[in-house]
Order: sequence, then C-alpha cells, then structure tokens
Amino acid sequence: DGGITQSPKYLFRKEGQNVTLSCEQNLNHDAMYWYRQDPGQGLRLIYYSQIVNDFQKGDIAEGYSVSREKKESFPLTVTSAQKNPTAFYLCASSIGTVPQAFFGQGTRLTVV
Amino acid sequence: LAKTTQPISMDSYEGQEVNITCSHNNIATNDYITWYQQFPSQGPRFIIQGYKTKVTNEVASLFIPADRKSSTLSLPRVSLSDTAVYYCLVGNSGSARQLTFGSGTQLTVLP
Repeated sequence: DGGITQSPKYLFRKEGQNVTLSCEQNLNHDAMYWYRQDPGQGLRLIYYSQIVNDFQKGDIAEGYSVSREKKESFPLTVTSAQKNPTAFYLCASSIGTVPQAFFGQGTRLTVV
Repeated sequence: LAKTTQPISMDSYEGQEVNITCSHNNIATNDYITWYQQFPSQGPRFIIQGYKTKVTNEVASLFIPADRKSSTLSLPRVSLSDTAVYYCLVGNSGSARQLTFGSGTQLTVLP
C-alpha cells in the first residue's frame, strides 16, 4: 500500500531531552511538510522540503530541526530549545505539481 | 499567499445539505482552491479541489463563482460521521508553502 507513515503514534519525553519523530512516504512525492497542531487550533507549518538535501523554515521553526537525506524520509527533531513541545505533529507529502497533500496519522508528543 | 476566511463553526442535522463558504479575496491567477476534512487525532484528508465553476466528486461539490474570491463546499445529506473540521486552502504548486491552513470550520451534525 502506498502512503505516508508516522511513528510512533504516541511519544513521551522528559523536559530537556531532544526527540526525533519519523516520517516515511512511498508515494514518490517530491515535497514533504511538518505541521504542529495544538488543541482546538489549525495546523501550523514548521518546516518543508521540496527536494532532497533542501528544506525551508515554516512559520514556527524555532526549536525544531529537520533533515532530508532521502526522498522517502523527512524526520523532525524537537529540541530542548522548543519551549512548548507538547502537541500533535503531522507530516504530509505532495507530488509538487498539484497543490494536494497526503497526511500521516500524526504523532502525539507529550513532554513531562 | 492568499488568506482565507471561514466560519468558525456550523451545526446541521442529519440528512440536510451543508454549505460552507470560504472567502479568499486576494486569490492569485494560478491558485487552486482545496478543501480538507479532519477528524480528531487524525491527519487532514483531501476532499475536493477546483479552479473555477463547479467540481463534483462522490463526496462533495465545490462551487466557485467567476471572480473566484470565494468558494462554497457543499456536502449533500450529511450524517453524524461528517462531524469534523473542514479547511479551505488556496495556493498553487509553485511554492511548497501553498499548504497553509487556517483555523477551519467545525461542522457538528446533530441527530
């Protein structure tokens, strides 16, 4: 089955620790995105990547880092510099030629 | 990026047709209009996309007037399972920042 997979679904970390969220797609899509969603709010763009080895900051990139070493993978690291990391994180991909994205099921990160 | 404005919430009853309107006054010539649906604790799901006039698929219809400054998502005969947040996005494939989500419209379908 083609799709976009995020893991894990739930993640707990202690304050001050870095944590990496996984996002893998087998849709052969060029563009990939990371969003953050807080309760009752819309999605906010953290980072996006249009091609391998290239990525740009979104609206709320502070405290996050990404890499795009392979077309299929776009991991997100939530660093200790992120002041309020507890949130629902969503990864998406798009083919790039039409503005339509496919989303993963999300990772709910809780920092205690 | 074209900014979109949608109602924060709407209520409807089962079996009714629901129309959600989105305003996008500064839409660009090459922008498409795309609607997504999101259930709690899930990623958004693509519903429908259009450029002008009317588009229909098995789930919904999208009406776009000639000036393209607004669009209306129409859901026929809604059921309880259509309770979700609906997002209207405006953008084109020229920039990866096209996928900018607003706050969306919380649709609640009542029995």
